[in-house]
Amino acid sequence: QSALTQSASVSGSPGQSITISCTGTSSDIGRYDLVSWYQQHPDKAPKLIIYEVSKWPSGVSNRFSGSKSGNTASLTIFGLQAEDEGDYYCLSYAGSNTWVFGGGTKLTVL
Amino acid sequence: EVQLVESGGGSVQPGGSLKLSCAASGFKFSDYWMNWVRQAPGKGLEWVTNIKEDGSEKYYIDSVKGRVTISRDNAKNSFFLQMNSLRTEDTAIYYCARGWSNSLDYWGQGTLVTVSS
Repeated sequence: QSALTQSASVSGSPGQSITISCTGTSSDIGRYDLVSWYQQHPDKAPKLIIYEVSKWPSGVSNRFSGSKSGNTASLTIFGLQAEDEGDYYCLSYAGSNTWVFGGGTKLTVL
Repeated sequence: EVQLVESGGGSVQPGGSLKLSCAASGFKFSDYWMNWVRQAPGKGLEWVTNIKEDGSEKYYIDSVKGRVTISRDNAKNSFFLQMNSLRTEDTAIYYCARGWSNSLDYWGQGTLVTVSS
């Protein structure tokens, strides 16, 4: 049940695109297409933005895009906006009805 | 409107106990797995435990097994986290979250648990 690996921070200018990666193992990300992504603003609860690798929940902008290759999942944000600044977490099914989060990535919009 | 509201957080000494509650509204509670997720101060999210729709299955992260028990009362649209033998490393904001399509689609606002002597 080790945390998935995310880069600590990423930054981009408004209008640019950025990608956040989330690396696991063949026991979690590599085995299941059950990765979701969450956005968290300071002192707020997390918000679901992508589920089952690449699907959008109702009401979430399609500027957010998810993908997966092997043991690594990725979140791409197109057309960065100031309100995208915050922390981003991946979550993967880890088998036996347990789940594991990534360590989180802090996104700064310059 | 889906709402999840946690309560029961507070300060406790190491070795003490605390019971968290999460009151759900705006959806058919008995149709969903429910989860607890925690976040230590300044740290990342950590999935802690979940419980099946009818309460028949419960799963825990290794670090809380034997000390924590999740339960639910579908008649009262609520679920709970009984925490015993608390350690300083259990200090965190505890969020309740609804399981949906292999993700956590709705979250409460969180309740702070502080374990300190």
